[in-house]
Amino acid sequence: EVQLLESGGDLVQPGGSLRLSCAAFGFTFSSYAMSWVRQAPGKGLEWVSSISGSGGSTYYADSVKGRFTIFSDTSKNTLYLQMNSLRAEDTAVYYCAKHRDSNGYLDYWGQGTLVTVSS
Amino acid sequence: DIQMTQSPSTLSASVGDRVTITCRASQNISTRLAWYQQKPGKAPNILIYKASSLESGVPSRFSGSGSGTDFTLTISSLQPDDFATYYCQQYNSYYTFGQGTKLETK
Repeated sequence: EVQLLESGGDLVQPGGSLRLSCAAFGFTFSSYAMSWVRQAPGKGLEWVSSISGSGGSTYYADSVKGRFTIFSDTSKNTLYLQMNSLRAEDTAVYYCAKHRDSNGYLDYWGQGTLVTVSS
Repeated sequence: DIQMTQSPSTLSASVGDRVTITCRASQNISTRLAWYQQKPGKAPNILIYKASSLESGVPSRFSGSGSGTDFTLTISSLQPDDFATYYCQQYNSYYTFGQGTKLETK
C-alpha cells in the first residue's frame, strides 16, 4: 500500500527557513517523480515543485523559484522541501504527492503538513 | 504558463442530479488533464486522468471528456458522498490547477 507521510510543518517568522519531509512507503521511490503542492487556507491547489525519480531534474513554480529547493534521498525513501526566505503568502498546507509516471498526474497524496509564516 | 479556468465556482445540486463541471485551458494541452475530488481537511483524490480515463476504484458515475482546450467532468447521478470540491489539473507543461468548483447541496 502506497503511503506518503509529511512532517516538518511549523510556525516560522517571515524571512525564516523550514525543511519539510515526506517519507514514502509501498513503492519503488526512485522510479517515480514526486511533487509538492500547497493549499493556502480557504484557497485552491497550487503546484510548488517537482523532482524526477532519480533526483536529477527539478522544477519550480515562479512563486518559489530561488527560495525553495526540492531534493530526495533514495536511500531513505524520503522527499524534502527546503524553504528559505519565507513570506506570509507561503502560509499553506503542503502536500507531497507521487506521479503516476515521469510527468503525469498525481495518483497518491500525503495528508499534508501546515506551514504558518507569521510574526 | 498555462492557465486553467473552471466553471462554475460553486454548483448547487440535489442527490440524483446530473452535474457537469467545465475546465478550459489557455492553450492546447491535448488530453493531458486530470480531475481530483477534495473533501474538507483531506488531501485530493484522483478521479479521472488523460481527460477521460477513470482511475481504478472510482465509481462509474464519474466521467470526463474533452481534448485540446475544453474539458468536462460529469457526475451522472449525484450521491451524498459526492458533495466536495473538484479541481482540474493540466500536466502538459509543468502543472496547473483550476481554481476549483465547490459542489454543494441545494
